[in-house]
Amino acid sequence: DAGVIQSPRHEVTEMGQEVTLRCKPISGHDYLFWYRQTMMRGLELLIYFNNNVPIDDSGMPEDRFSAKMPNASFSTLKIQPSEPRDSAVYFCASSSFSGEPYEQYFGPGTRLTVT
Amino acid sequence: GNSVTQMEGPVTLSEEAFLTINCTYTATGYPSLFWYVQYPGEGLQLLLKATKADDKGSNKGFEATYRKETTSFHLEKGSVQVSDSAVYFCALSGNAGGTSYGKLTFGQGTILTVHP
Repeated sequence: DAGVIQSPRHEVTEMGQEVTLRCKPISGHDYLFWYRQTMMRGLELLIYFNNNVPIDDSGMPEDRFSAKMPNASFSTLKIQPSEPRDSAVYFCASSSFSGEPYEQYFGPGTRLTVT
Repeated sequence: GNSVTQMEGPVTLSEEAFLTINCTYTATGYPSLFWYVQYPGEGLQLLLKATKADDKGSNKGFEATYRKETTSFHLEKGSVQVSDSAVYFCALSGNAGGTSYGKLTFGQGTILTVHP
């Protein structure tokens, strides 16, 4: 089975530009999580979905960030406008509560650099 | 709220040395506890878990015991290898039926480097 797929793997953009990160969870998983990882702040949960519905977005840093999950096989995290402090590795993860609860499967991440 | 505290890193060891990475937690109810590992350039992956007090999780020579009386879940390995070099994260689950159900709370991570 394919794991969690993220695209792009690397993104370099200029300050003020819109950035869209994409995630395809493992088929059959009903939870999807977006994380951000930086050296200074470690691993932060931004938002998570259950059955395509956002459950907790309290980790989204500000209104410039938005996330959607239009269907069970696709989610996006959008930053508009981007700023240099958004530079980080963004991970998507998914899990299934009918399988092993709380075993989250992480994608390889998208390394975002905002100049 | 829930929180996880890991020992300060980084940790540098020689091959075949004994490893301990300390993890303590604060939580309401009866969370499950986890260790995740992140190899360079990759996402996190589950290393081991324990779902109730006194349970011992184990995998790939790593072990951790759920100690409710000391609210700890320390990771140990008797003989580390160069290939164990990675970042290790302790985590706990939200409570069933609570507002954080479904999500994990992670510690800050501990970088382990093993030299030949």
